[in-house]
Amino acid sequence: GQSLEQPSEVTAVEGAIVQINCTYQTSGFYGLSWYQQHDGGAPTFLSYNALDGLEETGRFSSFLSRSDSYGYLLLQELQMKDSASYFCAVRAYSGNTPLVFGKGTRLSVIA
Amino acid sequence: NAGVTQTPKFRVLKTGQSMTLLCAQDMNHEYMYWYRQDPGMGLRLIHYSVGEGTTAKGEVPDGYNVSRLKKQNFLLGLESAAPSQTSVYFCASSYSMGAVGNQPQHFGDGTRLSIL
Repeated sequence: GQSLEQPSEVTAVEGAIVQINCTYQTSGFYGLSWYQQHDGGAPTFLSYNALDGLEETGRFSSFLSRSDSYGYLLLQELQMKDSASYFCAVRAYSGNTPLVFGKGTRLSVIA
Repeated sequence: NAGVTQTPKFRVLKTGQSMTLLCAQDMNHEYMYWYRQDPGMGLRLIHYSVGEGTTAKGEVPDGYNVSRLKKQNFLLGLESAAPSQTSVYFCASSYSMGAVGNQPQHFGDGTRLSIL
């Protein structure tokens, strides 16, 4: 089976940097994805790591280490609009199986 | 460019009633999914479809049925609604599952369903 662990809540100050961790237990998977969801909104795709290392997209970066079964989402120069829930997700190699999502991390950005 | 459209957006049902949630996508995606989202539980997969005429069970399929008669539509049915099915339901679609490269899922805005 697959399971992903994320902190349930994180609070950070506007302008700062925050890291949201995701640890997983799965035998093999295609890549690690991150989705953002604002309150009352739909989840939207943020980033994808197929290979180990860092992927950067503007203020957001995502990291994957398969050997450590670990990944993280890094948000820099935090803005109030970054307050949202963030979900990591993986899709296992076994069969034609869809994404499995973590339970999400609620990020609160404070002034 | 509508993307993924869910109807209705809100609904209140009484226990035992039945209803159908409709999801439509205009991106010619093969894969479609239904999730439910409850506080602290993240997104849990109910059923999914890998193409027109196909359906498969997800993590929490009990009490739900689905149909994919047309490629662009994916219907979620509640046969006999129960209070435990009060939730926010999201439909999503993707070009593929993501075997080669990334194939992100595109989500609708959700249906907020309350069962009394």
